[in-house]
Amino acid sequence: AQSVAQPEDQVNVAEGNPLTVKCTYSVSGNPYLFWYVQYPNRGLQFLLKYITGDNLVKGSYGFEAEFNKSQTSFHLKKPSALVSDSALYFCAVRDRGDNDMRFGAGTRLTVKP
Amino acid sequence: ETGVTQTPRHLVMGMTNKKSLKCEQHLGHNAMYWYKQSAKKPLELMFVYSLEERVENNSVPSRFSPECPNSSHLFLHLHTLQPEDSALYLCASSQGLGSSYEQYFGPGTRLTVT
Repeated sequence: AQSVAQPEDQVNVAEGNPLTVKCTYSVSGNPYLFWYVQYPNRGLQFLLKYITGDNLVKGSYGFEAEFNKSQTSFHLKKPSALVSDSALYFCAVRDRGDNDMRFGAGTRLTVKP
Repeated sequence: ETGVTQTPRHLVMGMTNKKSLKCEQHLGHNAMYWYKQSAKKPLELMFVYSLEERVENNSVPSRFSPECPNSSHLFLHLHTLQPEDSALYLCASSQGLGSSYEQYFGPGTRLTVT
C-alpha cells in the first residue's frame, strides 16, 4: 500500500526567500505524485503532478517539484516566496492502477513580509 | 473556482437528524469522490464513483450513504451521526479513474454534529 509523509507541520519563510516543503513517499510500484494547496475556507487546489519523464515538474503560481526516486522524495519548491503563498500544502501519492490517492497530513506554510 | 460546487457550505445537525450534502461538477468529468478532512489528520477517502457506479467504499459507517444519480451530481446522505463525524467534507472530481488524473475539489461542507 502507498503512503506519504510530510515531516514538517509548519514552515516559515520570509517574503522573497526560496521555500521548500518536503514530501517523502512509499509505494510498491511506480508512483504518481501530486501537490495540492488549500487556502482558508476553500477546498484543495491542484498545483502540479509527476507522472513520468523529466524529474523537475513545473506547476501553477511559480511552484515546482523535483522527483527523486533514490530518496523517494517529491519536495515542493519556489524560488521567491510571496505572502499570498501562505496556505496549507498537501502532498499525495497514487500507485499506478490504484483508485486510492493517499494524502499527507499537510504542511502549513507561512510567508512573512 | 475549480468547477466543483458543494452545498450547503455549513451544516449543524443533531445526532437524530437526517440531512444530505450535495456536490455538482461542471467539468464533464467521469469520476467523483467524497473525502473527510479532520483537523491534523490526512484526508480520508470515503467513496469513489465512476460513471455513476460506486467503485470504492473505504469501510465507511453505514450512517453515511452516497448517491450518484448522474456523472455531474453526487450526494452524501447523513443519518444518526456521532459528534466525531464533525469535519469538513470535500467532494472532488477527475476526468477518469486513471491514477494519473488530478482531482478537482469543491470548497467543502463544514459539518458540526451536536
